[in-house]
Amino acid sequence: GDSVTQMEGPVTLSEEAFLTINCTYTATGYPSLFWYVQYPGEGLQLLLKATKADDKGSNKGFEATYRKETTSFHLEKGSVQVSDSAVYFCALSESGANSKLTFGKGITLSVRP
Amino acid sequence: DTGVSQNPRHKITKRGQNVTFRCDPISEHNRLYWYRQTLGQGPEFLTYFQNEAQLEKSRLLSDRFSAERPKGSFSTLEIQRTEQGDSAMYLCASSLSSGLAGVAQYFGPGTRLLVL
Repeated sequence: GDSVTQMEGPVTLSEEAFLTINCTYTATGYPSLFWYVQYPGEGLQLLLKATKADDKGSNKGFEATYRKETTSFHLEKGSVQVSDSAVYFCALSESGANSKLTFGKGITLSVRP
Repeated sequence: DTGVSQNPRHKITKRGQNVTFRCDPISEHNRLYWYRQTLGQGPEFLTYFQNEAQLEKSRLLSDRFSAERPKGSFSTLEIQRTEQGDSAMYLCASSLSSGLAGVAQYFGPGTRLLVL
């Protein structure tokens, strides 16, 4: 079945540091890929997405590129802020009628001032 | 757009009791999903509705779980004879149906269940 693997956490960075969060996937079809973010005390929010190979999703300074050859969708940001502290989830959905999401375990990011 | 709402936000119950959660999706969304999230894990799919039709249920959804979406609007998730292993955050999400790939799902704040 489908699965998403995220790097182990938590991750602690200083403000303005470069961020990379790794995500790889296994899928039977040609999935769409997502990053969701959960800020403290809030619900899951869509951060960015990509629907086909080599697509780059971007939002709020975060970027991720759909790499079909390496089955990866790594999240990057050039300069993190304290306000980026949150839990980040990588997810996929297969094409088709259901479009249910399959999530990774999530990783907690803490950014120090 | 008021977003997806869920009630109650927290529920504490004793083992063996029945509980019911409600989800109100974004009004124009015809797809509605239920997920369960335990500590340190990502959400896991439970079931999915398109309008009022329940089209898929996960193997995770035991016979004690039932979900409805009358009239294709709000949805309820009922757990009968709760067990301690049912303690989790129950998340609801909604989306538009579309022939396009990658339709975003919008999540509610969740209902946290604790079974004593």
